[in-house]
Amino acid sequence: NAGVTQTPKFRILKIGQSMTLQCTQDMNHNYMYWYRQDPGMGLKLIYYSVGAGITDKGEVPNGYNVSRSTTEDFPLRLELAAPSQTSVYFCASSYKGEPAYEQYFGPGTRLTVT
Amino acid sequence: GQNIDQPTEMTATEGAIVQINCTYQTSGFNGLFWYQQHAGEAPTFLSYNVLDGLEEKGRFSSFLSRSKGYSYLLLKELQMKDSASYLCAVSDSNYQLIWGAGTKLIIKP
Repeated sequence: NAGVTQTPKFRILKIGQSMTLQCTQDMNHNYMYWYRQDPGMGLKLIYYSVGAGITDKGEVPNGYNVSRSTTEDFPLRLELAAPSQTSVYFCASSYKGEPAYEQYFGPGTRLTVT
Repeated sequence: GQNIDQPTEMTATEGAIVQINCTYQTSGFNGLFWYQQHAGEAPTFLSYNVLDGLEEKGRFSSFLSRSKGYSYLLLKELQMKDSASYLCAVSDSNYQLIWGAGTKLIIKP
């Protein structure tokens, strides 16, 4: 089991560029999440999905889009990157039925927008 | 609004005991998690409490009082590898995790 994998590990974008952060899990988890973590701050939920074909906004969705065409994959799309999107992005997954849905995290993507 | 408070930073000595507190105000409660996050790495699960009381797991214990909106994480026999940030998170009425900013724990020899 690889768990939750994310690519790329690091990326530098210019203002206005777009990119997709990839996330894949092989644990057959139905719930998947995207968070961002700014220095000294807690994790902020961007988007989440409760299963293939179903996505919903979290606390900070502006500037991002997601899709969930399969159980395994949950890519995060950044359109028109802005310096405020400089952050570390974590993808996580959980299985409904475990105690209040313990979340398993990927290693993160460090994104810098200049 | 929803709020999780924990100290920003704590310092302790190798071999000692440290208690990291967390207070919360959330819309609904479906349990409280503690995660450990080493610098530059992803958070990893430490403990889960949904009922009042103490849960012990090796050198780590976690306590919950739902009536007080309070939890603590107790680390015993501190080791240098325990230097990390400790994140408190509450599962709200929609089973979404609300996260505290984390407590950076510095262990000194």
